[in-house]
Amino acid sequence: DSGVTQTPKHLITATGQRVTLRCSPRSGDLSVYWYQQSLDQGLQFLIQYYNGEERAKGNILERFSAQQFPDLHSELNLSSLELGDSALYFCASSVGGKGYTDTQYFGPGTRLTVL
Amino acid sequence: AQKITQTQPGMFVQEKEAVTLDCTYDTSDPSYGLFWYKQPSSGEMIFLIYQGSYDQQNATEGRYSLNFQKARKSANLVISASQLGDSAMYFCAMRPPGAGSYQLTFGKGTKLSVIP
Repeated sequence: DSGVTQTPKHLITATGQRVTLRCSPRSGDLSVYWYQQSLDQGLQFLIQYYNGEERAKGNILERFSAQQFPDLHSELNLSSLELGDSALYFCASSVGGKGYTDTQYFGPGTRLTVL
Repeated sequence: AQKITQTQPGMFVQEKEAVTLDCTYDTSDPSYGLFWYKQPSSGEMIFLIYQGSYDQQNATEGRYSLNFQKARKSANLVISASQLGDSAMYFCAMRPPGAGSYQLTFGKGTKLSVIP
């Protein structure tokens, strides 16, 4: 158990809908990252927050947004869902501020299926 | 841009034998971190081992060790005494330094199957 929690574990929804994925980082970690894992794209970085502030953006679609709250939990919002958004979404956390030595610990993931 | 290459889509190893999973990387940064993660069929990503670009010694964590060859830009994972529970996908990842570059770049992974 990495100490990172994600809910829900599975999510099945229809095209055009909006969903929210939730992540609680490990105790003491200030950085939260979101990744998407799909068969065709592999593991792709979406976005990072550090202590409530957006720190880096990757291949995140405009239909997707995220935020980190004062208690450091984070939510990833996916809207106007398309079939291609079906994937495993991971949240990871790290202490932050340690540069390239900062190890990211991953949550169990949320498997999103868009029908 | 950073790039990670894992050339072995699948590997088989006999139980109790050692296996090496290959990883090469491409970066122009002198400072970087290299990570290996394991993803069992259940889906979670488990951190295994870390190697910093300036580390003098190869990293080791239990049965996992890294064969780090900086000049060749390779960071191969060695698993000793393979167990059935080692059957999983293994991903090599790199994290460069620099403001805003905190994300991990992953390779496509190697599927390891341990044969009893």
